[in-house]
Amino acid sequence: EAGVTQFPSHSVIEKGQTVTLRCDPISGHDNLYWYRRVMGKEIKFLLHFVKESKQDESGMPNNRFLAERTGGTYSTLKVQPAELEDSGVYFCASSQHLAADPIEQYFGPGTRLTVT
Amino acid sequence: RKEVEQDPGPFNVPEGATVAFNCTYSNSASQSFFWYRQDCRKEPKLLMSVYSSGNEDGRFTAQLNRASQYISLLIRDSKLSDSATYLCVVNIAGSYQLTFGKGTKLSVIP
Repeated sequence: EAGVTQFPSHSVIEKGQTVTLRCDPISGHDNLYWYRRVMGKEIKFLLHFVKESKQDESGMPNNRFLAERTGGTYSTLKVQPAELEDSGVYFCASSQHLAADPIEQYFGPGTRLTVT
Repeated sequence: RKEVEQDPGPFNVPEGATVAFNCTYSNSASQSFFWYRQDCRKEPKLLMSVYSSGNEDGRFTAQLNRASQYISLLIRDSKLSDSATYLCVVNIAGSYQLTFGKGTKLSVIP
């Protein structure tokens, strides 16, 4: 079974530019999550989709970040305009059932974003 | 105060040693607990869930003390392949977001 995939693996952009990250969850997983790790800090939650709906976006840092999951399959995370502090590794994760206990989230390899 | 605190290490241990990692969490509403393992520049992978009664998986033993809000991971007979960063992760009741510690780095030396 294919795992969570993310594209691109690396992205280097200049401050003020736009970048779009993509995540393909494990097939059949309704729940999709975005997390971020900035240098020297812990991995932090950004948001959670159930199918195409945003269930929890309490971790989104500001309105420069826009996440979408049209059709409830893959998701995109757009950063516009990018700032230096947005640099970090963006992880996507997915899980199968909302009622599963404990929740097992499977992580993708991450996109390493560098804003210069 | 951080939500999940871990000793950052690094822990450098010889092969065959026993090593223990500790973790404390601040939110008493935390309901699910995990240890994830992360290799350098890779994604976090679930190592084991942690149950109130404690649980064991081969060389790995996890313990939870809800009263003290403390979680531990014990690795016996360390292997070179155990070298990684070990992340303590909690989930709060009513939410599906995972809260991570910064991780403890383990290096097992031949």
